[in-house]
Amino acid sequence: ELKVEQNPLFLSMQEGKNYTIYCNYSTTSDRLYWYRQDPGKSLESLFVLLSNGAVKQEGRLMASLDTKARLSTLHITAAVHDLSATYFCAVGLSDTGNQFYFGTGTSLTVIP
Amino acid sequence: DSGVTQTPKHLITATGQRVTLRCSPRSGDLSVYWYQQSLDQGLQFLIQYYNGEERAKGNILERFSAQQFPDLHSELNLSSLELGDSALYFCASSAWDGQETQYFGPGTRLLVL
Repeated sequence: ELKVEQNPLFLSMQEGKNYTIYCNYSTTSDRLYWYRQDPGKSLESLFVLLSNGAVKQEGRLMASLDTKARLSTLHITAAVHDLSATYFCAVGLSDTGNQFYFGTGTSLTVIP
Repeated sequence: DSGVTQTPKHLITATGQRVTLRCSPRSGDLSVYWYQQSLDQGLQFLIQYYNGEERAKGNILERFSAQQFPDLHSELNLSSLELGDSALYFCASSAWDGQETQYFGPGTRLLVL
């Protein structure tokens, strides 16, 4: 079964700092998704990465995908308090239908 | 507001019972996905329907079933409920088959006593 590992699991950072969340997965895939979840809320799609080398940016968040290394990163630039949330990556597999495998999530707290 | 609606928001029931969760996708979206989120198992993909047909199956138990109706709304049926089925159940929809943005509903919180 595909394993998806995120690290760190918990991240506390000061406003204005930069940091990266890592998502490693155990088998070949060319689809990688990033989601945000606020406490007690549903999930919000952030990025869909569909090819090796894909890079997408929205505001202070930038996601990239390296399919050869089986690695995706979510980079946070100049963090602000509003980015405090849990971030999940998910890997998509097409060979057995259309499966999605989630990472454990990274709980991010941005301290003013 | 994602445009995806789910009912009910909360559900409390007893072990052995059966419940039905309902999801209405965004207007025009053909795919509906069901996910389970629990403290024990995290986020798990259960099943996907595309335009009325089952497209993919994930970690869905045999006690669970789903369908998508001609108007594209979907229902997730959970039967012979166990304590461990207590979780948040999300549905999501997307325009096509999953290689694009998914929009999530607010979820149904199920508590099995």
